[in-house]
Amino acid sequence: DVKVTQSSRYLVKRTGEKVFLECVQDMDHENMFWYRQDPGLGLRLIYFSYDVKMKEKGDIPEGYSVSREKKERFSLILESASTNQTSMYLCASSIPRTSGSWSTDTQYFGPGTRLTVL
Amino acid sequence: AQSVTQLDSQVPVFEEAPVELRCNYSSSVSVYLFWYVQYPNQGLQLLLKYLSGSTLVKGINGFEAEFNKSQTSFHLRKPSVHISDTAEYFCAVSASGGYNKLIFGAGTRLAVHP
Repeated sequence: DVKVTQSSRYLVKRTGEKVFLECVQDMDHENMFWYRQDPGLGLRLIYFSYDVKMKEKGDIPEGYSVSREKKERFSLILESASTNQTSMYLCASSIPRTSGSWSTDTQYFGPGTRLTVL
Repeated sequence: AQSVTQLDSQVPVFEEAPVELRCNYSSSVSVYLFWYVQYPNQGLQLLLKYLSGSTLVKGINGFEAEFNKSQTSFHLRKPSVHISDTAEYFCAVSASGGYNKLIFGAGTRLAVHP
């Protein structure tokens, strides 16, 4: 079974703090993703990574950065947390590319981190 | 660019009744289509996906979906729901070929009542 774990289920931080959200997957997946989930908006992609030390911006990267120093670990960093970053954050990974495309890949999700910024 | 519209934000239904969750997409290119489910306090998991071939796709837990290219729809159906099907369901689309991200709909909350 694929396992994607996230470091915290619930997190409360103050405005201006630097926040680290950690994600680890145990299936040697090349691709990893960070989404935020908000009611009525579904999931929106923040950043993704297709290899160690590689990263690409998603649809809403402003106010976030990422780090992928090891294949199994993908970190999301809020440089200076703001109240509008209060949300559920979901990490996902997908199976290794074999056919020159990842559009068909199933994504495996972690349980999420509910972040509240006060 | 692709987009996804889930036409119902909430669907209440009685146990053992049939259900249909509606999903429409827009795209100028060929697409792949997915349904994911999120049970309470859990991450998302794949229910089913359409890549090519038969337009009727069967997934886990008795769900199926039909790809209708002319109506740009990918509705999810189950003939008889259980209490345990209570969850949020997300339709998603990606452009075919290459390295394309998933675009998710806003979600439909299915509430199954005894």
